[in-house]
Amino acid sequence: AQTVTQSQPEMSVQEAETVTLSCTYDTSESNYYLFWYKQPPSRQMILVIRQEAYKQQNATENRFSVNFQKAAKSFSLKISDSQLGDTAMYFCAFILNFGNEKLTFGTGTRLTIIP
Amino acid sequence: DTGVSQDPRHKITKRGQNVTFRCDPISEHNRLYWYRQTLGQGPEFLTYFQNEAQLEKSRLLSDRFSAERPKGSFSTLEIQRTEQGDSAMYLCASSLAAGLAGSTDTQYFGPGTRLTVL
Repeated sequence: AQTVTQSQPEMSVQEAETVTLSCTYDTSESNYYLFWYKQPPSRQMILVIRQEAYKQQNATENRFSVNFQKAAKSFSLKISDSQLGDTAMYFCAFILNFGNEKLTFGTGTRLTIIP
Repeated sequence: DTGVSQDPRHKITKRGQNVTFRCDPISEHNRLYWYRQTLGQGPEFLTYFQNEAQLEKSRLLSDRFSAERPKGSFSTLEIQRTEQGDSAMYLCASSLAAGLAGSTDTQYFGPGTRLTVL
């Protein structure tokens, strides 16, 4: 079974600063995908970024980038130039490719951007 | 392009009552998923459909839970004889896959239905 661990329950950072959220996972498979989802207060979960395990290049989406270390089974999210709208719960998630199609989520990190 | 929609957004019910939730996926998506999220936790997988076929059910989905996706479009999740432990956010997601063995595509989530069982 796959597991996802987010060891930082809460984080806060000043607006415009950079913050890194940690995620580790455990699997014996080699073909999988990793995601970061954002869930703002009382709003729906939206995709932030996606990484295919077979790609060595780290994914980036504007101010969001990941540091994917496959051997270490680590998948951290870096948010640059943080904005007030980045305040949200952030969930790391794992899914097997050609597998059982279910996302396995971590417990989340509550990120607060301080003005 | 409209996103995933869920109805109702909130439901308060008394223990022992039956409730039904509806999910409308993104129109061209052939896969539909149900997750449950309790306070302070990440979502947990319940079940998923490829078109109208229910392909997997979690052990979390007790006999009181049933999901359907007639005609491969919208889906319903029914909980019979609700218990206080059923109180949670029920999330629906959809994705587009090439086929039963198709590559994994991103799941897009709806706003959820928050269930409170008194």
